[in-house]
Amino acid sequence: EAGVVQSPRYKIIEKKQPVAFWCNPISGHNTLYWYLQNLGQGPELLIRYENEEAVDDSQLPKDRFSAERLKGVDSTLKIQPAELGDSAVYLCASSLTSGGTDTQYFGPGTRLTVL
Amino acid sequence: GDSVTQMEGPVTLSEEAFLTINCTYTATGYPSLFWYVQYPGEGLQLLLKATKADDKGSNKGFEATYRKETTSFHLEKGSVQVSDSAVYFCALSEGGTSYGKLTFGQGTILTVHP
Repeated sequence: EAGVVQSPRYKIIEKKQPVAFWCNPISGHNTLYWYLQNLGQGPELLIRYENEEAVDDSQLPKDRFSAERLKGVDSTLKIQPAELGDSAVYLCASSLTSGGTDTQYFGPGTRLTVL
Repeated sequence: GDSVTQMEGPVTLSEEAFLTINCTYTATGYPSLFWYVQYPGEGLQLLLKATKADDKGSNKGFEATYRKETTSFHLEKGSVQVSDSAVYFCALSEGGTSYGKLTFGQGTILTVHP
């Protein structure tokens, strides 16, 4: 069974440029998560989807970040414009449901560097 | 709000040594507790979990017991191997509006030498 797929794995951009990250969750997983991981820190939730609905986006900086999950499968996270402080690893995860005990499966992440 | 605190790292051990990585948590309810591991160049993987007080999670020789009285979930392994070198994250998931949201500790880097 394929795991969570993310692309690109690495991205280098200049500040004020836009950037987008793509995630394909495990087949059949209804819940999808985007996490932000700063260097030397644990991941922090940005947004959680149940099917195509964003049910928790309270930590998403909506002035520059946006996300979508069309048809309840793939998801895209966008930053426009990027700032120096956005340099981090962006992780996507999926789980069968949003149950608190359900295992979340993580992708390898996209490492973003903003110059 | 919820929080997870892990012992300061990094941790460096010789092969076959005993491992303990401390984890304590703060939560308003009765969370589920998890240990995730991140090997170099790979994504986070669930190592073990416990969903209620006194439960013991175990996998690959690692164990952790959910201690409600001390709000702790310490990770232990009796004999580490070089292949255990990785970053270990303690995490919790609580109900209510945060249902499904994982709150992570800062991670502990483990290096095992031959």
